[in-house]
Amino acid sequence: DAKTTQPPSMDCAEGRAANLPCNHSTISGNEYVYWYRQIHSQGPQYIIHGLKNNETNEMASLIITEDRKSSTLILPHATLRDTAVYYCIVRVAGRGGSNYKLTFGKGTLLTVNP
Amino acid sequence: GAVVSQHPSRVICKSGTSVKIECRSLDFQATTMFWYRQFPKQSLMLMATSNEGSKATYEQGVEKDKFLINHASLTLSTLTVTSAHPEDSSFYICSASVDRGLADTQYFGPGTRLTVL
Repeated sequence: DAKTTQPPSMDCAEGRAANLPCNHSTISGNEYVYWYRQIHSQGPQYIIHGLKNNETNEMASLIITEDRKSSTLILPHATLRDTAVYYCIVRVAGRGGSNYKLTFGKGTLLTVNP
Repeated sequence: GAVVSQHPSRVICKSGTSVKIECRSLDFQATTMFWYRQFPKQSLMLMATSNEGSKATYEQGVEKDKFLINHASLTLSTLTVTSAHPEDSSFYICSASVDRGLADTQYFGPGTRLTVL
């Protein structure tokens, strides 16, 4: 799976949009971009994933550049409860099995300030 | 939907004893479950992949005789830490895989904090 690069930490003001970047310049055509977050002492929470089109759900939006070498996770109105480590993971498409495991890097610690 | 539970949430045991951790998918059937371990201030590390009705696939460096995994049904996988020692103290997290079209999505349990005295 392609390697990802994320800033180690970011700050955001409560109520503002949080834009978390991820670089995945070696991504291949059949690899998806997944975003998870982990609040302290809890299991990771799935946020969103995409292949090449922009995606939006009730939690966030995922913007993938046309060349697919980078992406941005957008939390439109950050709250204090969004403070967490955010992981950007690139993984080959498929269903189940050990070939489709998630490899977690160090992620970005997003701190939402009042 | 896609809720995964773990039991217990926290366990303290004496060195040399065995501990069993359960992982359940509550509202879906998961053909594949994954077990991760997370040490303080570190990221999650995959330990093994578990498929229902077959033997688990362990990551390099993970002792299969020490970390026994059983995936007897589509909604339950168990991890047993045998002869636990203080260095096994960690945060153990499971995930269950749900098909989402061409790519599945993993949903994680809340984790189990193991402390070995």
